[in-house]
Amino acid sequence: DAKTTQPPSMDCAEGRAANLPCNHSTISGNEYVYWYRQIHSQGPQYIIHGLKNNETNEMASLIITEDRKSSTLILPHATLRDTAVYYCIVTGPNRDDKIIFGKGTRLHILP
Amino acid sequence: DAGITQSPRHKVTETGTPVTLRCHQTENHRYMYWYRQDPGHGLRLIHYSYGVKDTDKGEVSDGYSVSRSKTEDFLLTLESATSSQTSVYFCAISESRGEAYNEQFFGPGTRLTVL
Repeated sequence: DAKTTQPPSMDCAEGRAANLPCNHSTISGNEYVYWYRQIHSQGPQYIIHGLKNNETNEMASLIITEDRKSSTLILPHATLRDTAVYYCIVTGPNRDDKIIFGKGTRLHILP
Repeated sequence: DAGITQSPRHKVTETGTPVTLRCHQTENHRYMYWYRQDPGHGLRLIHYSYGVKDTDKGEVSDGYSVSRSKTEDFLLTLESATSSQTSVYFCAISESRGEAYNEQFFGPGTRLTVL
């Protein structure tokens, strides 16, 4: 079973920041938070991951709370092409620690 | 985009026939994975490979076998296809360094219909 809880759907206006929350209250000390997204009928796309520090790349920012029990993925300027299902995944650092996709959050970007 | 191709992209077959799906990568990544995606179940891991001739079972491996004789190719075989194996199949690859195991890059998918 997925170790995370996400809202099933969210709306965001085009051009605004999209903030996607994720709860992972049972996360262990060596487990990472990963975010993927899946645009309709395409394969999932890796976005970002982090352990305890906030992370930023060209796609998004990841904010992890100090107690690590929740995180937020931020898409700073959402476009219509960001409409997708976003998956928050918690997993360990070893090669046998697999990623398990839950139901994710369906993000609708509104024009 | 990572260099991953899957073939065929679409296939319709009949119950009881063998089917082989191919995943080909040009990234020289060591790890490869096969997933299936079904409505109501999300993505589930079928088999994975840590290198040539090094494969293992995932969550839903019954009815599937895999082979990896070259770094770049990972084959998924349905020995005798059943209607329950109608699904979209995704291949993924990742590097073997650090926690990059789970930075997976996915192919475009194969839509398989078993009649």
